[in-house]
Amino acid sequence: QAVVTQEPSLTVSPGGTVTLTCGSSTGAVTSGHYPYWFQQKPGQAPRTLIFDTRNKHFWTPARFSGSLLGGKAALTLSGAQPEDEAEYYCLLYYSGARVFGGGTRLTVL
Amino acid sequence: EVQLVESGGGLIQPGGSLKLSCAASGFTFSGSAMHWVRQASGKGLEWVGRVTSKADNLAPAYGASVRGRFIVSRDDSRNTAYLHMNSLTSEDTAVYYCRVEEVAVRLDYWGRGTPVTVAS
Repeated sequence: QAVVTQEPSLTVSPGGTVTLTCGSSTGAVTSGHYPYWFQQKPGQAPRTLIFDTRNKHFWTPARFSGSLLGGKAALTLSGAQPEDEAEYYCLLYYSGARVFGGGTRLTVL
Repeated sequence: EVQLVESGGGLIQPGGSLKLSCAASGFTFSGSAMHWVRQASGKGLEWVGRVTSKADNLAPAYGASVRGRFIVSRDDSRNTAYLHMNSLTSEDTAVYYCRVEEVAVRLDYWGRGTPVTVAS
């Protein structure tokens, strides 16, 4: 099974910009991996922020954006807010199966 | 309002079997793929499996750690998805979430999860 890698932790200042990445052990991440990004706060179920690389749901704050960057999927947060402090997970598609990354703990400080 | 309510979790002995249910409402259940995701305490998310809609041939798919032991299914007449878990070990102890996904209509919601503990 493929291994999906994310930064274990990142810190961003309020109002700042940070990019989280999602890599694959099988090579470059492409649109064919249909990257997803999820946010999970302590004690809560996850919620989906981004699907198919860059598409947002109506509940996704505009300050979040998805892309492909340097062979990885990326989630960029521009103008971080205190409420964005959470765990972020990416999910990649591999021929029917899906694999989550290990998650990035984002601190807004 | 979309709702997904998982049930069936609890304490089960190693080697045992358990069936989880995910009751859905607020959307067209028959047209959506249903996923199961689990999370051990203090750990990350793990994709368990999914079953597609009847239109997509009810195709199942599984994560490597559960393939051959777990089965995902659905009953569209009951608006319910199921996760049948067999040969359980302590490694299967986790909160199990169901998630609905239908990209074409931007439908993507999670349940609140049901805890499963495998212990003697």
